[in-house]
Amino acid sequence: QVQLQESGPGLVKPSQTLSLTCTVSGGSISSGGYYWSWIRQHPGKGLEWIGYIYYSGSTYYNPSLKSRVTISVDTSKNQFSLKLSSVTAADTAVYYCARTPEIYFDYWGQGTLVTVSS
Amino acid sequence: QSALTQPRSVSGSPGQSVTISCTGTSSDVGGYNYVSWYQQHPGKAPKLMIYDVSKRPSGVPDRFSGSKSGNTASLTISGLQAEDEADYYCCSYAGSYPWVVFGGGTKLTVL
Repeated sequence: QVQLQESGPGLVKPSQTLSLTCTVSGGSISSGGYYWSWIRQHPGKGLEWIGYIYYSGSTYYNPSLKSRVTISVDTSKNQFSLKLSSVTAADTAVYYCARTPEIYFDYWGQGTLVTVSS
Repeated sequence: QSALTQPRSVSGSPGQSVTISCTGTSSDVGGYNYVSWYQQHPGKAPKLMIYDVSKRPSGVPDRFSGSKSGNTASLTISGLQAEDEADYYCCSYAGSYPWVVFGGGTKLTVL
């Protein structure tokens, strides 16, 4: 059974960089066949796709966030990470990582709330 | 404003059927058979219920079904149960910008 777990600071100051890591267990990122995604949900709002990465390092980002987003993968640790720069209060959200077989998300982490505040 | 349009709320009584619509364009829903649906209970992560328009992952009851006509996809839940009360989101591949789009979500109330 594949499991994903997000980790990282729950509080980030405005203008700083949000950094989160997703640790995958029960399956190997380097085995291929899946993209690995980040998705966020603003409080009380809907879902927003941030981007995804393949084990080889190929990335696709939501154009609305592309200038501030970097997703990377560390196959040796079976982890992938999200960095979002120059954050504002509008980036306050629950951030989820998810496995992506095609263009759907079959396994999700539990989510982590990141608050942007001074 | 979400890229895909869903009704904000729907409701039904136990045992009844409800259908949630998801309207996009020929660039997303209408152009690809990559529509998926997610169920989200309060405080929980979304759960995949339907993928590739009408396929059900293992473990999802066959009361849940998906379809598509033109630029509109639909999720139908038959034999409503109390535990079906949740938010439901549709999602579609968009081919290019912005690649993946979600609907704004529909709150299902079981009366």
